[in-house]
Amino acid sequence: DVKVTQSSRYLVKRTGEKVFLECVQDMDHENMFWYRQDPGLGLRLIYFSYDVKMKEKGDIPEGYSVSREKKERFSLILESASTNQTSMYLCASRGPGTNYGYTFGSGTRLTVV
Amino acid sequence: QQQVKQSPQSLIVQKGGISIINCAYENTAFDYFPWYQQFPGKGPALLIAIRPDVSEKKEGRFTISFNKSAKQFSLHIMDSQPGDSATYFCAARYSSASKIIFGSGTRLSIRP
Repeated sequence: DVKVTQSSRYLVKRTGEKVFLECVQDMDHENMFWYRQDPGLGLRLIYFSYDVKMKEKGDIPEGYSVSREKKERFSLILESASTNQTSMYLCASRGPGTNYGYTFGSGTRLTVV
Repeated sequence: QQQVKQSPQSLIVQKGGISIINCAYENTAFDYFPWYQQFPGKGPALLIAIRPDVSEKKEGRFTISFNKSAKQFSLHIMDSQPGDSATYFCAARYSSASKIIFGSGTRLSIRP
């Protein structure tokens, strides 16, 4: 089974800090995604990547950037954390032939104080 | 603007009953409609999915009903069990891209 690992389960950061959320998958998948999950809003797509060094904006990219220097790693960057970025962040990957089968990590709950 | 509208937000069902969660969409560019199940402390996991050229898909106690003309689809959980208690998300995938749009989620509780 594909494993998607998010480096931190819980993070507490201060307003204005630069925050890095790391995600690693072990199945050589081309596609990787970052979502945030908020009650009543479901999962909203922040950024996704089709391949190394390629990225595309999702529905809510403002205040975020991403980096994909290696195929297995997709990082989400909060350039200057704000309290409205307090949320659960979920990383997912998808490989060829799995039309709708995203594999999600367990999530990082980020609190910005 | 939510592209995939899901209801209800929460649902309580007695053990052995039928749980029904509904979703609606507007964009005809969607070509796959998966459902994800999420337990507390875990990421969502694919439960079942359907293509728009099929009206129903059944896997065990889980069934998706799809109405293309009405742009609606629903998840039915037969003989609901306490272990089915979780948050369920409907979703839709754009045919031209890999990205999936999720509904707002339904928190399902099955009472013993």
